[in-house]
Amino acid sequence: AAGVIQSPRHLIKEKRETATLKCYPIPRHDTVYWYQQGPGQDPQFLISFYEKMQSDKGSIPDRFSAQQFSDYHSELNMSSLELGDSALYFCASSPRGVYEQYFGPGTRLTVT
Amino acid sequence: AQTVTQSQPEMSVQEAETVTLSCTYDTSENNYYLFWYKQPPSRQMILVIRQEAYKQQNATENRFSVNFQKAAKSFSLKISDSQLGDTAMYFCAFTSGTYKYIFGTGTRLKVLA
Repeated sequence: AAGVIQSPRHLIKEKRETATLKCYPIPRHDTVYWYQQGPGQDPQFLISFYEKMQSDKGSIPDRFSAQQFSDYHSELNMSSLELGDSALYFCASSPRGVYEQYFGPGTRLTVT
Repeated sequence: AQTVTQSQPEMSVQEAETVTLSCTYDTSENNYYLFWYKQPPSRQMILVIRQEAYKQQNATENRFSVNFQKAAKSFSLKISDSQLGDTAMYFCAFTSGTYKYIFGTGTRLKVLA
């Protein structure tokens, strides 16, 4: 069965640089969620999209933005990167009205 | 605001034994879902078991079962016949309304040979 695809899997950036993380949901899943998991921490909800519209927003810094495209893939754009942005970023998807989310393998971002 | 609490940062269990991981939550919602996710060293989030709040019957998935006490807002995970492959971080998660997950801080489980 197809799973959520995230790219890249690993990313190394320097402070003040920008990064773009991509998420390709499971086919026919129209809702995408982004989570940030810092070292030794639980995943924290950042933002979600349903049918290309932002549906909920969590603790996402103003330096971050995200969008969902017509093919339902989503991108998380991160600017002015800080050391504290180093984390594992998960994308998850679900069909509309379904509570269960399917997680991708994550993108490990390291900011040096 | 909803909160999820896992009070056991670390636990260990002998192989083939049974272990119970605790989770409590706080919400004013009546309709919600609870999940247990396993995160092995690969960091992949793997769904272990789910529970719908409107269902009184406790969910079971092979060696995994839950004790869902809605009035007490408790959702514990029991792992029977523990295996070395069960060694992982376990997160309890809550969702309702807008569907975002709220995770607990996790319990690191180590299964000993």
